[in-house]
Amino acid sequence: DAKTTQPNSMESNEEEPVHLPCNHSTISGTDYIHWYRQLPSQGPEYVIHGLTSNVNNRMASLAIAEDRKSSTLILHRATLRDAAVYYCILRGRDDKIIFGKGTRLHILP
Amino acid sequence: GAVVSQHPSRVICKSGTSVKIECRSLDFQATTMFWYRQFPKQSLMLMATSNEGSKATYEQGVEKDKFLINHASLTLSTLTVTSAHPEDSSFYICSAGRTPRGGTEAFFGQGTRLTVV
Repeated sequence: DAKTTQPNSMESNEEEPVHLPCNHSTISGTDYIHWYRQLPSQGPEYVIHGLTSNVNNRMASLAIAEDRKSSTLILHRATLRDAAVYYCILRGRDDKIIFGKGTRLHILP
Repeated sequence: GAVVSQHPSRVICKSGTSVKIECRSLDFQATTMFWYRQFPKQSLMLMATSNEGSKATYEQGVEKDKFLINHASLTLSTLTVTSAHPEDSSFYICSAGRTPRGGTEAFFGQGTRLTVV
């Protein structure tokens, strides 16, 4: 079973920031927090990952709670191309990526 | 560019025939690859873990005799759907990653759309 909880869907206006939440209360000390997104009829695409500290890359930022039981993916300026299903995943020593239902992000023009 | 490549991207086969799907890591060696399938409007479901040089590990409920996995080299894993039936029609996706895996990104193939008629 997936070890993360995300809202089923979210909506945002184009060119505005988007904050996608994820709860992972059973995270272990060796689990990395990964985010992937999937466009229709495509394989998932890596977005960002982190362990304890907040992370930034060209696509997004990842804010990790101090207790690591939750995290937030931040898209600083959403575009129509960011409309996708976003998956928050814990990746541990067994390397498996178990997908939950993810959050379907709708971007309004 | 893509670092994990799947082939074919789309295949239609007749019921009762077998179909092979290839997954290649293009610029790194992958001792482990993962196979998923995804039905419409559902999430990806992990089918099996493909281990180079040894038997694949299947998730509960996945028939190992129906979904044959071969990982003969560090850059290639294949999934063969044997005696395919219409209910096997799905989107199949493979994944691989560089080591150390937990702390690095996973790469996914483009997916293979299988339609059994």
